[in-house]
Amino acid sequence: SAVISQKPSRDICQRGTSLTIQCQVDSQVTMMFWYRQQPGQSLTLIATANQGSEATYESGFVIDKFPISRPNLTFSTLTVSNMSPEDSSIYLCSVVGGGGARYEQYFGPGTRLTVT
Amino acid sequence: QKEVEQDPGPLSVPEGAIVSLNCTYSNSAFQYFMWYRQYSRKGPELLMYTYSSGNKEDGRFTAQVDKSSKYISLFIRDSQPSDSATYLCAMSARTGRRALTFGSGTRLQVQP
Repeated sequence: SAVISQKPSRDICQRGTSLTIQCQVDSQVTMMFWYRQQPGQSLTLIATANQGSEATYESGFVIDKFPISRPNLTFSTLTVSNMSPEDSSIYLCSVVGGGGARYEQYFGPGTRLTVT
Repeated sequence: QKEVEQDPGPLSVPEGAIVSLNCTYSNSAFQYFMWYRQYSRKGPELLMYTYSSGNKEDGRFTAQVDKSSKYISLFIRDSQPSDSATYLCAMSARTGRRALTFGSGTRLQVQP
């Protein structure tokens, strides 16, 4: 399976600031996604990170708040902008395939964000 | 109504019991079905992956998909305290949107 790392693993940020989360995969993958998991909740898709083009956002998520970059097939970033306490969540990147898998989806360890 | 329904539990069983976890779904386009295990403060770990209908077994874990009933199950045999975690079902379509739609997760506690 693909090995996925995320940086930072956790952070505590002040209201109004921004945080950029990095996702690195050890093999080239065609599909990458960013999810959010709010405390005690299941996972919600934020956007699909498209290599070489703008990300595709789900309803309720906008580019100004969650800008995403994907410069190549192994790396992506998610920025959480102008943060408020409601943005306190775990942010997870996910990939389809990689490491010999075709359809399975794997997750990174997550970034635990607390906004004060 | 949610696309994927999952009983949130918590489910408490004695060590050695057989555990049955279930999800129902409404979107007939779903073709890929996955079960994830998530320990507290960790990312989801893929346990089982099934394409379309049928059964799949891996060690103590068996995944079943019944597309006619839009119902999937995960069975854990000889449950261990280390199986205590939240179990998430997830599914996606074969074409188009490939991102996963998740159930709400079932919290499992295996008592020693």
